[in-house]
Amino acid sequence: AQTVTQSQPEMSVQEAETVTLSCTYDTSESDYYLFWYKQPPSRQMILVIRQEAYKQQNATENRFSVNFQKAAKSFSLKISDSQLGDAAMYFCAYRAFGNEKLTFGTGTRLTIIP
Amino acid sequence: GAGVSQSPRYKVAKRGQDVALRCDPISGHVSLFWYQQALGQGPEFLTYFQNEAQLDKSGLPSDRFFAERPEGSVSTLKIQRTQQEDSAVYLCASSPRLKETQYFGPGTRLLVL
Repeated sequence: AQTVTQSQPEMSVQEAETVTLSCTYDTSESDYYLFWYKQPPSRQMILVIRQEAYKQQNATENRFSVNFQKAAKSFSLKISDSQLGDAAMYFCAYRAFGNEKLTFGTGTRLTIIP
Repeated sequence: GAGVSQSPRYKVAKRGQDVALRCDPISGHVSLFWYQQALGQGPEFLTYFQNEAQLDKSGLPSDRFFAERPEGSVSTLKIQRTQQEDSAVYLCASSPRLKETQYFGPGTRLLVL
């Protein structure tokens, strides 16, 4: 069974600085997708960024980028120029190519210090 | 356009009561998913539908949990004879079709006393 591990329950970063959230996963599949979702307090979960495992190039979305290391089964999220609105729970998630269900990690709570 | 909506947003039930949680997906979305998120945990998959067909219900924790989507749009998650361990946030998500990004609703927070 696939598992997703987020080893940092909490992280904090100074506003305008850069922070990296870690995620590792375990799978025997060769084709899969990886995601970072953001869940602000009392608000719904939204997709931050998505990576297809067959793509070697790391995905980027404005201030958000990933470092995808397939051999190491690592998928970290880098947030540049952190803003107050980035404060949220961040979940790493995995989906096998032939499957529809998402497998989530336990999340990292990110605090932005003004 | 409107996102995924869920109702009620909060539900308090006495142990042993039956509850029904509703999900309205984004209009036109073919796929619909239910997840359970316990306090301090990530969401865990329960079941999903393509149109009205329930294609995977492997995550339903017991036969007290039942989901339906009779007309391929609105879905209801029913929990019979609720127990304290059912207390969680129940998240619904929809996607335009299979293998596409899932868009989540705000969730229903269920508390069983």
